[in-house]
Amino acid sequence: DQQVKQNSPSLSVQEGRISILNCDYTNSMFDYFLWYKKYPAEGPTFLISISSIKDKNEDGRFTVFLNKSAKHLSLHIVPSQPGDSAVYFCAAHRWANSGGSNYKLTFGKGTLLTVNP
Amino acid sequence: DADVTQTPRNRITKTGKRIMLECSQTKGHDRMYWYRQDPGLGLRLIYYSFDVKDINKGEISDGYSVSRQAQAKFSLSLESAIPNQTALYFCATSFQGAGYTFGSGTRLTVV
Repeated sequence: DQQVKQNSPSLSVQEGRISILNCDYTNSMFDYFLWYKKYPAEGPTFLISISSIKDKNEDGRFTVFLNKSAKHLSLHIVPSQPGDSAVYFCAAHRWANSGGSNYKLTFGKGTLLTVNP
Repeated sequence: DADVTQTPRNRITKTGKRIMLECSQTKGHDRMYWYRQDPGLGLRLIYYSFDVKDINKGEISDGYSVSRQAQAKFSLSLESAIPNQTALYFCATSFQGAGYTFGSGTRLTVV
């Protein structure tokens, strides 16, 4: 049972335009969400996160939106740059103290973003 | 030096061989994890450890074992490697419930 879903394996956008990457989750206990970016031959690196008490978090060109009622989050990159081309993983866990087993991240399958010059 | 170091970076091994992947960290984090990445399947958790005396199975632990030799070291073993264990393996660390820091990965090929 996949608790974090990224239904688009790939996305292609033009440089300067907006990239929107989507993620859905099924576990209502998740209360902290993260996006990781991964280049080939490197490990994933943290990009941005959001707590369930917020519906938006912005960091420069990157904004994450959370819709708890729909169990949906999205990552917006504006403007997109060729250097943003990478695999993006959505991840989630439960931050609240409910036992150690809930602190491990559950990842989606990833979306390959290609930004064309 | 990298905060999370994985060795080897690449390894080709034969079916049936025992192999160990090593991970060490300088971040002082208490928690360590092993994930594997397969095309189209994302990152799947193999084992995790919340401290030296705490080892837990993840979603795909069959065929793997781990050892937490010290707070800074967490190794993954394949007792008898098989071809479908060919994958990219990542070690990660975290401090309690915060986000992860990943190593650069080990590309393992079982022939």
